[in-house]
Amino acid sequence: DAGITQSPRHKVTETGTPVTLRCHQTENHRYMYWYRQDPGHGLRLIHYSYGVKDTDKGEVSDGYSVSRSKTEDFLLTLESATSSQTSVYFCAIREENYNEQFFGPGTRLTVL
Amino acid sequence: DQQVKQNSPSLSVQEGRISILNCDYTNSMFDYFLWYKKYPAEGPTFLISISSIKDKNEDGRFTVFLNKSAKHLSLHIVPSQPGDSAVYFCAASGAGNMLTFGGGTRLMVKP
Repeated sequence: DAGITQSPRHKVTETGTPVTLRCHQTENHRYMYWYRQDPGHGLRLIHYSYGVKDTDKGEVSDGYSVSRSKTEDFLLTLESATSSQTSVYFCAIREENYNEQFFGPGTRLTVL
Repeated sequence: DQQVKQNSPSLSVQEGRISILNCDYTNSMFDYFLWYKKYPAEGPTFLISISSIKDKNEDGRFTVFLNKSAKHLSLHIVPSQPGDSAVYFCAASGAGNMLTFGGGTRLMVKP
C-alpha cells in the first residue's frame, strides 16, 4: 500500500468555521491531489500540487485553498466552511511519468 | 458536462458469473484509462488500466476492453466473487496526467 495518511479521518464542524485537512505521504512523490466524493459525481478534483509551493486549481476549487511547504504534506483549507462542503475528501499521490494515482483513506467532513 | 460517464449506478450478479461494468467518455484526447475499486470507508484502490494504443488488458480475473471508435471501455470480472462487491470507478487521463472520474457503479455479487 502507498504510504498515504489523512487527518482527521472524521470531522464535524459548524458553518463559517475554518477547517484544515492534512495529507501526509512517505513515498516522496512529486504530485499530490485533493478530491471530494459526492453521490453520483464520482471524485472531483479540488486542487493539485506538482511540487513544493507549486499548486493549481481543479474542477471544484471555489471555497478551498491549499498549501504545500514540504514534499510530504499537502494541506486543504476551507476558509469558511459551508454545508455544501459536507463531503468525503480524498488525497492522492502520483509518481512522475506514471498515470496511476494512489489514494489515502479519506476524511469525512460534516458541516452543520 | 460529464466527460466520463458510468450509466449504470448499480449492478447485481450471481457469484461465479461474469460482471461487466461499462464506461463511456466524450473527450477524444483521453489516452489512458483506469479502473478503481472502492470499499465503504476506504479510499479507492487502483485495479487495472489500459493505454489507448491497446484494446485489451488482462490481470487475473479482471480484463479491461477499450473501444476507441465508440469511446467506450468495460471491465469484466470472471468469475465474480462476493469480495468483489464494491463501488467501481472508471477514470480517464489526458494532458497533464489529470484524471477525470465517472460517477461509479455499485457492484453486488450475491453468494
